[in-house]
Amino acid sequence: GQQVMQIPQYQHVQEGEDFTTYCNSSTTLSNIQWYKQRPGGHPVFLIQLVKSGEVKKQKRLTFQFGEAKKNSSLHITATQTTDVGTYFCAGPGSSNTGKLIFGQGTTLQVKP
Amino acid sequence: KAGVTQTPRYLIKTRGQQVTLSCSPISGHRSVSWYQQTPGQGLQFLFEYFSETQRNKGNFPGRFSGRQFSNSRSEMNVSTLELGDSALYLCASSLTDRVGSGYTFGSGTRLTVV
Repeated sequence: GQQVMQIPQYQHVQEGEDFTTYCNSSTTLSNIQWYKQRPGGHPVFLIQLVKSGEVKKQKRLTFQFGEAKKNSSLHITATQTTDVGTYFCAGPGSSNTGKLIFGQGTTLQVKP
Repeated sequence: KAGVTQTPRYLIKTRGQQVTLSCSPISGHRSVSWYQQTPGQGLQFLFEYFSETQRNKGNFPGRFSGRQFSNSRSEMNVSTLELGDSALYLCASSLTDRVGSGYTFGSGTRLTVV
């Protein structure tokens, strides 16, 4: 079945270092979404990418959607302790109606 | 505006019992989805409702069911609870009827089955 894989599973960085998580889908996606879940919290929508090769920025966060629309990445520049949490990518299921297939997530720890 | 509200926040049930969880979406949102989150399996799609109709169902046994009311509020029910059903159950709502605008998640219901 359709799968979305994310690496790495965990990442520990020193505050100020950069961080990148990668997402790969077994199928071509119409769009990809990114969510952040703080420890003890719930997923919070960050962004959606739709176009092949699309790059979007939110302050220190840069999101990319691959040319083949099967992979994506999230890059954080100069991490801060507030960036701690688990970052999930998610793509729509084959029916494209309300079903999201989530990656396993990358948990980011930032040492001050 | 109010976010997605899930009740109760925490629940402890015994094996074999049944449970009903409630979700009130953001006002105006007609699409409601349910997810199960566990450390081992991550976020797994349960089902999705739009205008009181179940449009999609994940790979969960028939013990898991749900419904949506005319005011878009949704409930999910799990019958004959098993230890493995212990999880965080998340409800998410969306404005549009198709994936593409992002989902707003509730705080979840933490279900523990003993």
